[in-house]
Amino acid sequence: EMQLVESGGGLVQPGGSLRLSCAASGFTFNGYWMTWVRQAPGKGLEWVANINQVGSEKNYVDSVKSRFTISRDNAKNLLYLQMNTVRVEDTAIYYCARERVMAGSDYWGQGTLVTVSS
Amino acid sequence: DIQMTQSPSSLSASVGDRVTITCRASQDISNYLAWYQQKPGKVPSLLIYAASTLQPGVPSRFRGGGSGTDFTLTISSLQPEDVATYYCQKYNSAPPLTFGGGTKVEIK
Repeated sequence: EMQLVESGGGLVQPGGSLRLSCAASGFTFNGYWMTWVRQAPGKGLEWVANINQVGSEKNYVDSVKSRFTISRDNAKNLLYLQMNTVRVEDTAIYYCARERVMAGSDYWGQGTLVTVSS
Repeated sequence: DIQMTQSPSSLSASVGDRVTITCRASQDISNYLAWYQQKPGKVPSLLIYAASTLQPGVPSRFRGGGSGTDFTLTISSLQPEDVATYYCQKYNSAPPLTFGGGTKVEIK
């Protein structure tokens, strides 16, 4: 059974750092782009970043560029999102999702909540 | 960056009604558009990709259409289990892979 399980969320102070992880199972992890999407409380979906199969291509939404880093460990079937210099507006549920090339994100994890507050 | 604009932001319809949601891209995205459904308190799920291809397991009352800049999601006969917020997303090769603002569908 295909599964994506996020972890690493929690309460962090503005300016702090956090690393989110997404453990993948049930599919050939290194065969897919992977993506992070976030959803602030009561708000819509916002695409955050994605990474290609080997980690050589990474893309970010402007609001997180230079602060967040997406990466992956194909040997461990893990996707990461390193969040640095976090802001109150980064407060959201962060979902990892599997991307199919030119076909949308077909599997999503349950999400992990990140709260940025002093 | 390409902007994605959905309308309406919310709607209320009766069971059995035909419901149409529109999504407009600020530039031509060909058919690189997906629709997602997010039920209250749940994780988003993929409904349609390539503008009109139903994801396996999605009921046939859902239909996607359009290309270029104008797209539609139609529910032919609204059911109680369709109460959700619906999002479009463009995924052509140029990031960011922007979502529309969402359309909340409720039962009247």
